[in-house]
Amino acid sequence: GIQVEQSPPDLILQEGANSTLRCNFSDSVNNLQWFHQNPWGQLINLFYIPSGTKQNGRLSATTVATERYSLLYISSSQTTDSGVYFCAVILTGGGNKLTFGTGTQLKVEL
Amino acid sequence: GAVVSQHPSRVICKSGTSVKIECRSLDFQATTMFWYRQFPKKSLMLMATSNEGSKATYEQGVEKDKFLINHASLTLSTLTVTSAHPEDSSFYICSARPRDGPYEQYFGPGTRLTVT
Repeated sequence: GIQVEQSPPDLILQEGANSTLRCNFSDSVNNLQWFHQNPWGQLINLFYIPSGTKQNGRLSATTVATERYSLLYISSSQTTDSGVYFCAVILTGGGNKLTFGTGTQLKVEL
Repeated sequence: GAVVSQHPSRVICKSGTSVKIECRSLDFQATTMFWYRQFPKKSLMLMATSNEGSKATYEQGVEKDKFLINHASLTLSTLTVTSAHPEDSSFYICSARPRDGPYEQYFGPGTRLTVT
């Protein structure tokens, strides 16, 4: 099946720092989403980005589908950004099934 | 918009009993809902895909007789864990895809099940 790897697995930042999270996938996809799972377990939709670049406040994302990766940029990080970040993809021809990546655990410290 | 609720948020039950978890799309209709399971510090694993008015499609290795899924309306899907055992303890999360629009999925807040 499709492999979805995220890096780095763990990241510790000082408040105000910037970071880039990466999502690599092994096959062609027609859907990619980024989520933030907060400490209470709720998954929050960040971006629906099968291709191109989007920005929302301090966050932006870029997906290069032809090269099978996506990047999530977090600028001026805040302690509330802490949690786990997941990318998830739907394989081309894979119907509706989202396959989740391995996740990046982010901790933002004062 | 695009809010999904789950109930209960937390449940403790005794081994051998059954537990029902509800997943509702509050402000949209969802022909397809999904059930995931998440172990501590792990990623989400898809258990089954639930289509309104038809039988659920289970992922390989998921026992359909243990995890009963019903999707009776465009806004409600239920997961029943039958004859629960301690190894069924986990965090269960549902998601829903709006009937209209792209393939974006929206997730419920999750249900933490503890079987004693």
